[in-house]
Amino acid sequence: QKEVEQDPGPLSVPEGAIVSLNCTYSNSAFQYFMWYRQYSRKGPELLMYTYSSGNKEDGRFTAQVDKSSKYISLFIRDSQPSDSATYLCAMSKGLTGGGNKLTFGTGTQLKVEL
Amino acid sequence: EAQVTQNPRYLITVTGKKLTVTCSQNMNHEYMSWYRQDPGLGLRQIYYSMNVEVTDKGDVPEGYKVSRKEKRNFPLILESPSPNQTSLYFCASTAGGQAGTSGVYNEQFFGPGTRLTVL
Repeated sequence: QKEVEQDPGPLSVPEGAIVSLNCTYSNSAFQYFMWYRQYSRKGPELLMYTYSSGNKEDGRFTAQVDKSSKYISLFIRDSQPSDSATYLCAMSKGLTGGGNKLTFGTGTQLKVEL
Repeated sequence: EAQVTQNPRYLITVTGKKLTVTCSQNMNHEYMSWYRQDPGLGLRQIYYSMNVEVTDKGDVPEGYKVSRKEKRNFPLILESPSPNQTSLYFCASTAGGQAGTSGVYNEQFFGPGTRLTVL
């Protein structure tokens, strides 16, 4: 079983829809929970991160972490065609040295249609 | 502009022909790492380096070598490439001083990727 599970999609939604992306994980040592966005033929770029449990909002994006359920979510409000990309969840134990390794989900491919 | 660069971006080679993928960052970051990205498997760490002359294995190090002679550069070496190393490779760098329990995450910046095909 993978440490981090993510539905690969693809997910297709109309412009303006609310998008919900999710990941589950099995390792309770993870402390930092990230969402990366990856456009085609580009490297991943950090969208937002959350430390421990709770919510974090940044514009149209909201990240939620429920450590008791080992479940994280990313919500995108008023989705735009420019949001079309692959969204990767990633987690870190936040330890020194090699512990900074990111463990990634497989990514969810999102397409927002006009 | 702060960035991580990789070269080449695309490479087609044959089994057994040694190759090097270069990675360079201009942010004075201590920590650098290499990942490979495969369908259905996501990004997996190959090797990482915490500073000059300090490297260690990640999750999938077999068939790869790295070196860190300068802070800004972290080349990935495939001594004898095989078809199962056909993949998309990413280099990443992070500022030193890890977050621990402080709640502040030091972002990993990724390069644009190198698509490698081994025939």
